[in-house]
Amino acid sequence: AQKVTQAQTEISVVEKEDVTLDCVYETRDTTYYLFWYKQPPSGELVFLIRRNSFDEQNEISGRYSWNFQKSTSSFNFTITASQVVDSAVYFCALSEAGRGSTLGRLYFGRGTQLTVWP
Amino acid sequence: DTEVTQTPKHLVMGMTNKKSLKCEQHMGHRAMYWYKQKAKKPPELMFVYSYEKLSINESVPSRFSPECPNSSLLNLHLHALQPEDSALYLCASSQGRVPGHGGYTFGSGTRLTVV
Repeated sequence: AQKVTQAQTEISVVEKEDVTLDCVYETRDTTYYLFWYKQPPSGELVFLIRRNSFDEQNEISGRYSWNFQKSTSSFNFTITASQVVDSAVYFCALSEAGRGSTLGRLYFGRGTQLTVWP
Repeated sequence: DTEVTQTPKHLVMGMTNKKSLKCEQHMGHRAMYWYKQKAKKPPELMFVYSYEKLSINESVPSRFSPECPNSSLLNLHLHALQPEDSALYLCASSQGRVPGHGGYTFGSGTRLTVV
């Protein structure tokens, strides 16, 4: 079973539009970490945010905001007033802390290709 | 230094060649990882090293041979690869296998083409 689901394969918006990238995760661990990474065409995975399972407080960083809801196992990412430079593939990922065999594994979703048109 | 450095950035090799990918970090991280990423796919875990010992091998073919000579350096030795092994190879590190504080830091990757 997929531990991280990003249902949106591709999203296209026009500059200055707001866009939300969805992420749904699945785990039985009580302690886990959720991540968002940005991957531009150059290939590097750029870290955006990390959240642990005990911190449901939403976070805002400039034009980026994240909505973590344990009740729905979701960790959605919103870009406000999108810009062309936001065009990239965005990955949501999960790391579980409670099991020996899974320690160190980072489970990625399939990614969402975001294209922002000028 | 808050980076993971991977060399080379690009590599083209024949199926009979032997080559190595190098990954280096100086953040004091004790866990290091190799991921393989095919086009339009998410990264797939290959190996995990914890305190210089191999702790996870995701059933990777033996033509890929990892090595961790010290806590700062991680190598991936390549031998007799196939064209389908062409991919972006990403290295990552974390303070420990539980990313409680620093999370994972990724390098910029090596784009490997096997001809």
